[in-house]
Amino acid sequence: EIVLTQSPGTLSLSPGERAALSCRASQSVSSTYLAWYQQKPSQAPRLLIYGASSRATGIPDRFSGSGSGTDFTLTISRLEPEDFAVYYCHQYGSSPWTFGQGTRVEIK
Amino acid sequence: QVQLQESGPGLVKPSETLSLTCSVSGGSITDNSFYWGWIRQPPGKGLEWIANFTYSGSTYFIPSLNSRVTISVDTSKNHFSLKLSSVTAADTAVYYCASGSAPHYASGTYFPFDPWGQGVQVTVSS
Repeated sequence: EIVLTQSPGTLSLSPGERAALSCRASQSVSSTYLAWYQQKPSQAPRLLIYGASSRATGIPDRFSGSGSGTDFTLTISRLEPEDFAVYYCHQYGSSPWTFGQGTRVEIK
Repeated sequence: QVQLQESGPGLVKPSETLSLTCSVSGGSITDNSFYWGWIRQPPGKGLEWIANFTYSGSTYFIPSLNSRVTISVDTSKNHFSLKLSSVTAADTAVYYCASGSAPHYASGTYFPFDPWGQGVQVTVSS
């Protein structure tokens, strides 16, 4: 099983700041099969990034994904008020599919 | 656009079987350009993938639940179901169904879960 470890657990930032969220895998993940989701309270997760760096339909370009192998990053260039949420990385290339434990981005 | 909606009892007794249904609209469950799945989220915790399947027959389960999970499909109602037997308090969670685009699932050409249903809370308690 591929374990995904996200850091930091919580990121305290102000609107307008840049956020960088890390996802480290216990073994190599094909970039084709690495995704990022955003989840707000009482809502289902929303797909942001697939294939490590491709934005899903309707996702603003302030969200970007990068990385390869065992190290991946989600960057939010300038935080908007609606971006404060929990973010999960997800690998869907090796069964069992797994999620990271999440990074909470909170308002400082 | 495919939309999904979970339904099922919100309370299940320990040792009994949890049964949930995911109703699909805007697409057909027999369409092999999609795959379907279940994910759960215990209260205050992260996401846990449970299972995936395609109508053509590819099915995958998380090993820790493999012996307790059953997936079934009702094409007449365009829905699929999850049954989880011998539940305990550890199975208390919000359960989501979801689908993903799969131009050719068997060869590895597929995309992550999107969209998801809104989720249904299931509590295991006597």
